[in-house]
Amino acid sequence: SQTIHQWPATLVQPVGSPLSLECTVEGTSNPNLYWYRQAAGRGLQLLFYSVGIGQISSEVPQNLSASRPQDRQFILSSKKLLLSDSGFYLCAWGRAVSTNTQYFGPGTRLTVL
Amino acid sequence: SQELEQSPQSLIVQEGKNLTINCTSSKTLYGLYWYKQKYGEGLIFLMMLQKGGEEKSHEKITAKLDEKKQQSSLHITASQPSHAGIYLCGADDYAGGTSYGKLTFGQGTILTVHP
Repeated sequence: SQTIHQWPATLVQPVGSPLSLECTVEGTSNPNLYWYRQAAGRGLQLLFYSVGIGQISSEVPQNLSASRPQDRQFILSSKKLLLSDSGFYLCAWGRAVSTNTQYFGPGTRLTVL
Repeated sequence: SQELEQSPQSLIVQEGKNLTINCTSSKTLYGLYWYKQKYGEGLIFLMMLQKGGEEKSHEKITAKLDEKKQQSSLHITASQPSHAGIYLCGADDYAGGTSYGKLTFGQGTILTVHP
């Protein structure tokens, strides 16, 4: 069966510090991968998606970047965090074959002070 | 771009009561997905609907996609405290012609079930 991991689970960082969040998927190959941010308003905002190694598409211009160094690894980064980067970050994977069902990781709670 | 509106935004019910959550799209729905989220956790996939008039059930939760494929409803029968959480609908995002598996999500409905 497939599993998706995210770490860290929680993170408190000062403004201006760098960021690296990691997501890994097990039990599947060549998945589509997605990074979302969920603010206090509850809606999910798609930040980045990837259909293959090294292929990253950005949905929203911002202070963040993403990379996919391996087939089942997706990393969200920032060189200098802003207060507005605080939120709940979710990683998801999908196959986009017969349906676009996505399966989500447990999330990372980021607080920027 | 496609927008999904969920109603109500929040719902408080007594245990044992039935309830319905609606998800309305500004465009035709090609795939509609329902998820449940406990606060501070990831989303759990509940079910997916594709065909107009389709209805699926999982335990005490039933979801329907209307014939015109622009609205879906999620119905919970005899609610229990374990049903509490945030329910989100998502839809295939075909903006630009190819979805790449992307989904657009509604704002979510917060469900509280009092014992």
